Amino acid sequence: GESVGLHLPTLSVQEGDNSIINCAYSNSASDYFIWYKQESGKGPQFIIDIRSNMDKRQGQRVTVLLNKTVKHLSLQIAATQPGDSAVYFCAGSKGSYIPTFGRGTSLIVHP
Amino acid sequence: DVKVTQSSRYLVKRTGEKVFLECVQDMDHENMFWYRQDPGLGLRLIYFSYDVKMKEKGDIPEGYSVSREKKERFSLILESASTNQTSMYLCASRPGTGGYNQPQHFGDGTRLSIL
Repeated sequence: GESVGLHLPTLSVQEGDNSIINCAYSNSASDYFIWYKQESGKGPQFIIDIRSNMDKRQGQRVTVLLNKTVKHLSLQIAATQPGDSAVYFCAGSKGSYIPTFGRGTSLIVHP
Repeated sequence: DVKVTQSSRYLVKRTGEKVFLECVQDMDHENMFWYRQDPGLGLRLIYFSYDVKMKEKGDIPEGYSVSREKKERFSLILESASTNQTSMYLCASRPGTGGYNQPQHFGDGTRLSIL
C-alpha cells in the first residue's frame, strides 16, 4: 500500500517569506497527489492537486512540485500571510483508489 | 461550492451508548467517507461508500458501522461507544471517479467525547 509522510511536523516562517512544505511517498505507482489545508476548528480544505504526468502545477500563490524519481512532492506558498497558518496535509493515491494521508505539517506564520 | 455538512460540531456521550453521526452532501457525489483524526496519527479511514447502499471497510472499522440509504447522506454508527472512540470525526465526499481521480471535500468535523 501507499505510505505518505511529511518531513517536518512544524514549520515557522516570517510573514512575507516563501514557505516550502515537503512530503515523501512510498508507492512508485501512485499517480495522483493532493494538498489540503486545515485551519483550526475546520475540516481539510482542498488547495491543489497534481497528476503524475506533470512535474509542476501552479495555483494562486501556491505551487506543487512532483519529483517521481525520488518520490517527493512539495508545496510552495509565496509571500506567506498570517491567514496561511494551518496544518497542511499531502495525500497520494493510485487511480481511483482511496488516498493515503500524511500526518500533517503545522505552518506557523509570524507577523 | 461543494457543501458537506456534519450534523453536530460537538457531541458528548456516555460509554455504552449507541451514537449516530450524520453527514449530508449537496453535490450528488457518489463516494462518501468517514475518517477519524487523532493527534500524531493523522486521518484514518473508518468506512467508505461508493454509492447508495454500498459500503466498504477502511483501515479501522472495528466498533463502527455505517448506513447509506440515500445518496446525499452517510451515517456513522458507534454501536456501543467506548472511551477510545473519543476523537474528531470527519466526513468527506467525492464524485464517482470515472477515470482520473478527484479530490475529496470535507465537512468541518464532529468532536466526539465519550465519558
